[in-house]
Amino acid sequence: RKEVEQDPGPFNVPEGATVAFNCTYSNSASQSFFWYRQDCRKEPKLLMSVYSSGNEDGRFTAQLNRASQYISLLIRDSKLSDSATYLCVVNVDTGFQKLVFGTGTRLLVSP
Amino acid sequence: NAGVTQTPKFQVLKTGQSMTLQCAQDMNHEYMSWYRQDPGMGLRLIHYSVGAGITDQGEVPNGYNVSRSTTEDFPLRLLSAAPSQTSVYFCASSTQGYSNQPQHFGDGTRLSIL
Repeated sequence: RKEVEQDPGPFNVPEGATVAFNCTYSNSASQSFFWYRQDCRKEPKLLMSVYSSGNEDGRFTAQLNRASQYISLLIRDSKLSDSATYLCVVNVDTGFQKLVFGTGTRLLVSP
Repeated sequence: NAGVTQTPKFQVLKTGQSMTLQCAQDMNHEYMSWYRQDPGMGLRLIHYSVGAGITDQGEVPNGYNVSRSTTEDFPLRLLSAAPSQTSVYFCASSTQGYSNQPQHFGDGTRLSIL
């Protein structure tokens, strides 16, 4: 079983739609959680950290369920520019960031 | 703002050749790391460093060496290139501290081994 699992997609949605991605992780001792965004042939960039109480950044909402070892990302009012691959990332170390990356979920937003 | 700079951006090698991928950051970050990204695999940690003079192995270190003589630079050396090392390589850096600091990635090096 992979340490971090994501549905690879692609998710094809029209502009303005709401879309949700899910991610599960296997290490119950995982310390911190992130969503990164990666555009085609580009480097990953931090989208948002994920906090236990859930957090929101504009149109993006992240949720964490430690009991179920489950992370989600909700995107409201999708824009064409949201088309990218979204990487679920888990840090399994308390000190240095030993990040474990999911394989990513591809989102395609169409006009 | 330079951030994390990787060179070269593209490289083709023959099996058995050696080469060094360069990585430099100008943010005075303590932590630096190298990842490789392969289709269907996600990014995997090769080696990392928590400061000058300190390095350690990640998930997939075989066939690679690193050194950290300065805070700014963290080169990755392929000792004897193999086709299995064909991949996209990303260098990343982050500030010292607890586990919730974001990683800053370089643009990547696309490496093909023939």
